[in-house]
Amino acid sequence: GAGVSQTPSNKVTEKGKYVELRCDPISGHTALYWYRQSLGQGPEFLIYFQGTGAADDSGLPNDRFFAVRPEGSVSTLKIQRTERGDSAVYLCASSSRTGTDTQYFGPGTRLTVL
Amino acid sequence: AQSVSQHNHHVILSEAASLELGCNYSYGGTVNLFWYVQYPGQHLQLLLKYFSGDPLVKGIKGFEAEFIKSKFSFNLRKPSVQWSDTAEYFCAVKRLGTDKLIFGTGTRLQVFP
Repeated sequence: GAGVSQTPSNKVTEKGKYVELRCDPISGHTALYWYRQSLGQGPEFLIYFQGTGAADDSGLPNDRFFAVRPEGSVSTLKIQRTERGDSAVYLCASSSRTGTDTQYFGPGTRLTVL
Repeated sequence: AQSVSQHNHHVILSEAASLELGCNYSYGGTVNLFWYVQYPGQHLQLLLKYFSGDPLVKGIKGFEAEFIKSKFSFNLRKPSVQWSDTAEYFCAVKRLGTDKLIFGTGTRLQVFP
């Protein structure tokens, strides 16, 4: 079946602009996660959803970052007033439930802030 | 704060050599442990995971890992690597009661024929 998909695959924006990154989880997966991977680092947790609600948003770096999952499926990560330090690969993962299930990762969105 | 350490940043091996990649974590409570792999141009994929039971875990493509609780370690091993194992390998830890993965910085493995 189809895996986790993310769009766009690449996004180039200017400092100060607003961006939205989209994640389509595996069908039927109730848990959805966002991570950020900077060059030379491992993925860093941002937020996860169980259904429509954000169960843990402790990894969001500041209030410029926000994520939604209004219908419990697709999620959008929103970044306001982008900064050059936001440049990274943003990864989405989903799992069939929280707890013991494997997190399946998407290909990521490479965000470049000029 | 909980952290995951992968001390080998870049490993270069010839085909048929044995592999061991180190992973240590700092959290003292109950954890779940994972190794993910990212082949060039591909997504992160799960290699193997440990939740409970036998501390020697076998994964895909001949990989295995051993959980040593007293050493807070979960090292990845393969007795004989292949050129197709060239990839980046990430160790990750999930603390019991949470769902977020905490990753190490990764180890880049290059295997030459």
